[in-house]
Amino acid sequence: DTAVSQTPKYLVTQMGNDKSIKCEQNLGHDTMYWYKQDSKKFLKIMFSYNNKELIINETVPNRFSPKSPDKAHLNLHINSLELGDSAVYFCASSQVLVAGGNTGELFFGEGSRLTVL
Amino acid sequence: GEDVEQSLFLSVREGDSSVINCTYTDSSSTYLYWYKQEPGAGLQLLTYIFSNMDMKQDQRLTVLLNKKDKHLSLRIADTQTGDSAIYFCAAGGYQKVTFGTGTKLQVIP
Repeated sequence: DTAVSQTPKYLVTQMGNDKSIKCEQNLGHDTMYWYKQDSKKFLKIMFSYNNKELIINETVPNRFSPKSPDKAHLNLHINSLELGDSAVYFCASSQVLVAGGNTGELFFGEGSRLTVL
Repeated sequence: GEDVEQSLFLSVREGDSSVINCTYTDSSSTYLYWYKQEPGAGLQLLTYIFSNMDMKQDQRLTVLLNKKDKHLSLRIADTQTGDSAIYFCAAGGYQKVTFGTGTKLQVIP
């Protein structure tokens, strides 16, 4: 039973198209994230949601729109895809760090590889 | 914002020890983590250390934290070919974790 699952695993599309990636977690966590990993393996946070509320929005173009219908789901919609959007997008979840309570460990999905032609 | 830096590549012989280093900038980071990424997979937590600790040992893994220099290291004893992966250092506070650039560990049989 996969803890953090994202679909699709692979996505190949043309420049200018719009695409979505879906993520679901069954861990009961209250925080979910989208990370982007580029071809050099650098990992950068894009968005973070806590209980469906956006709490982190790193300087990401507004072509990227996250949506969290409930705390177990966080989807990512990308409009007008560009070549530079090609990357692996990782969804992750965690229980929000509480002093002395937990470690804030992130649980990652397997990634969605987006290729823009 | 937080910056986390690592060297990009490390090559060791099977059976030797590996030491992966990391520096970070935000002294208020509560936890420091080491994640492992195998090819085609997501990241998995390997170990972590709380910011008020200096050292943590977990089987073949030893984490050392120097808070004054904001330096973190991961030592893998008796490195095996299965340890070949990318290792990410990460620094976290409340609601945000910043990852380092990742160190690709190559283990030569």
